[in-house]
Amino acid sequence: GAVVSQHPSRVICKSGTSVKIECRSLDFQATTMFWYRQFPKKSLMLMATSNEGSKATYEQGVEKDKFLINHASLTLSTLTVTSAHPEDSSFYICSATSGRYSYEQYFGPGTRLTVT
Amino acid sequence: AQRVTQPEKLLSVFKGAPVELKCNYSYSGSPELFWYVQYSRQRLQLLLRHISRESIKGFTADLNKGETSFHLKKPFAQEEDSAMYYCALRDTGGFKTIFGAGTRLFVKA
Repeated sequence: GAVVSQHPSRVICKSGTSVKIECRSLDFQATTMFWYRQFPKKSLMLMATSNEGSKATYEQGVEKDKFLINHASLTLSTLTVTSAHPEDSSFYICSATSGRYSYEQYFGPGTRLTVT
Repeated sequence: AQRVTQPEKLLSVFKGAPVELKCNYSYSGSPELFWYVQYSRQRLQLLLRHISRESIKGFTADLNKGETSFHLKKPFAQEEDSAMYYCALRDTGGFKTIFGAGTRLFVKA
């Protein structure tokens, strides 16, 4: 089956620094990738949708200047949390589909971000 | 507004008992509904979708447009069914997916 990886699996950074999370589709071309944030004991909150080669579409309430998303190739999307604050600490999950009409999303294992 | 509601945070049943995980949705058009499952220490994965109308691991879910529900059912729960279950709605106008809050199913021996 289709596999999506994320790197790193967990990261600790200091307030004010930036951290980059990578999401890769290992055995298929992901024309669309999604970034989610999961709060403790709560559901996945969609942050943004990114299509290869174009700007990401952010959900309402998500700061695009704070959460920079780049989808430069069909197998890689990156989420950069800029000027991180402790409240950005969360579990970030990416998913990918192989096309607009592909219904199934393949999820990465997630990245645990802790901002101290 | 699009919304997916899973009223139960935790559902605990005995092995062999029937189980029903509730899901209600609000959507103005014709949605695509899914159930995703996350087993302990594993990533989220698709369990089933309403269009396929198939049974996966003994689970079925019927879309009831009148009640705007998509409840997940299994007649005889197994211990290995213990997991977190998420109901999800896909915007057919685009392709983003909205998830419910999830229900943790615990099947006791």
